[in-house]
Amino acid sequence: DAGVTQSPTHLIKTRGQQVTLRCSPKSGHDTVSWYQQALGQGPQFIFQYYEEEERQRGNFPDRFSGHQFPNYSSELNVNALLLGDSALYLCASSLAGVSGANVLTFGAGSRLTVL
Amino acid sequence: SQKIEQNSEALNIQEGKTATLTCNYTNYSPAYLQWYRQDPGRGPVFLLLIRENEKEKRKERLKVTFDTTLKQSLFHITASQPADSATYLCALGFNKFYFGSGTKLNVKP
Repeated sequence: DAGVTQSPTHLIKTRGQQVTLRCSPKSGHDTVSWYQQALGQGPQFIFQYYEEEERQRGNFPDRFSGHQFPNYSSELNVNALLLGDSALYLCASSLAGVSGANVLTFGAGSRLTVL
Repeated sequence: SQKIEQNSEALNIQEGKTATLTCNYTNYSPAYLQWYRQDPGRGPVFLLLIRENEKEKRKERLKVTFDTTLKQSLFHITASQPADSATYLCALGFNKFYFGSGTKLNVKP
């Protein structure tokens, strides 16, 4: 049973460019959340997708956008990259509708470096 | 805004001892608190969840306490092993989670 898979694992971009990161959730999960983790910090919530719609959003600018596809996979897009966008981007999947708080299953992340 | 504090200094302990990690929070009244383990270059892995009406939760060598009056959770690893060396993150929330910055645990043989 595959867990959460993310691609690419590493990438380097320059300021002003755009990037797309991809995520396939764990089998059976229908909700995808994206987190940004700067070096030495904890993950910060970007947004969450359920039923192909953004359900919740964290304190991130509109340069960060996403999409969820009918097969539950998801993309994170970041436009006009800034040096400060350099981080590990984590995708986490969960199953909606279960009683209690969602337990997150994380992928290994996509390491983005902006030069 | 919500603030979650974990000891930023690494915790160094000897194999076989009990490791105790602390998570303090402010400006928040979570119904749930979770602990995750993160190894270098990997995503966090879920360990334990505790509800606001539970004082303590155990799983094998792991124990979590949750004091909503003190706004604090303690995470214990008994009989620690070098393989327990990792960064441990606490997280509060229901659908959207707020994470602490984590505490790095080093267990020395």
